[in-house]
Amino acid sequence: GAVVSQHPSWVICKSGTSVKIECRSLDFQATTMFWYRQFPKQSLMLMATSNEGSKATYEQGVEKDKFLINHASLTLSTLTVTSAHPEDSSFYICSARDRLGTDTQYFGPGTRLTVL
Amino acid sequence: QKEVEQDPGPLSVPEGAIVSLNCTYSNSAFQYFMWYRQYSRKGPELLMYTYSSGNKEDGRFTAQVDKSSKYISLFIRDSQPSDSATYLCAFNAGGTSYGKLTFGQGTILTVHP
Repeated sequence: GAVVSQHPSWVICKSGTSVKIECRSLDFQATTMFWYRQFPKQSLMLMATSNEGSKATYEQGVEKDKFLINHASLTLSTLTVTSAHPEDSSFYICSARDRLGTDTQYFGPGTRLTVL
Repeated sequence: QKEVEQDPGPLSVPEGAIVSLNCTYSNSAFQYFMWYRQYSRKGPELLMYTYSSGNKEDGRFTAQVDKSSKYISLFIRDSQPSDSATYLCAFNAGGTSYGKLTFGQGTILTVHP
């Protein structure tokens, strides 16, 4: 089946630093990737839609200058949390849409971010 | 009113039981209906995907959609301890928002031996 990887799987950083999270589709091309955030015991909330070669589309309430998204290739999207603060601590999950296959979304394993 | 309502549980059942998980939704634009399973600290895994009213079966799993009542269900037969996870219903409206999923809160299921 389709595999999506994320790196790192967990990260701890100091307040004020920036953190980059990578999302890769390993065995399929993904023109569209999605970034979600999940707080403990809550469901996934879509943050932004990332299209290869174009600017990301952010959901209402998500600061685009704080959560920088780059989708430079058909297999890689990155999310950079800039000037992270403790309230940004969360589980960040990406998904990739298999445009040529089943056209369904496959999720990565997630990245747990803890900001001290 | 929330777009999606899902009983968060937790739900605890003995091994071999039939499990029923349910979601209601209010957005008439939803055309695609999915169920995901999420183990602790992992990303969601797609279990079932459908776009029409009725039943769809895959092994021990049956997804049921009733568009007129805006209600979807997932049934798990012969439940196993390995089924213990959080189950999320998800919806998509298609069209220009194709791929953007709206999730339910998730139901925590524990199957005990």
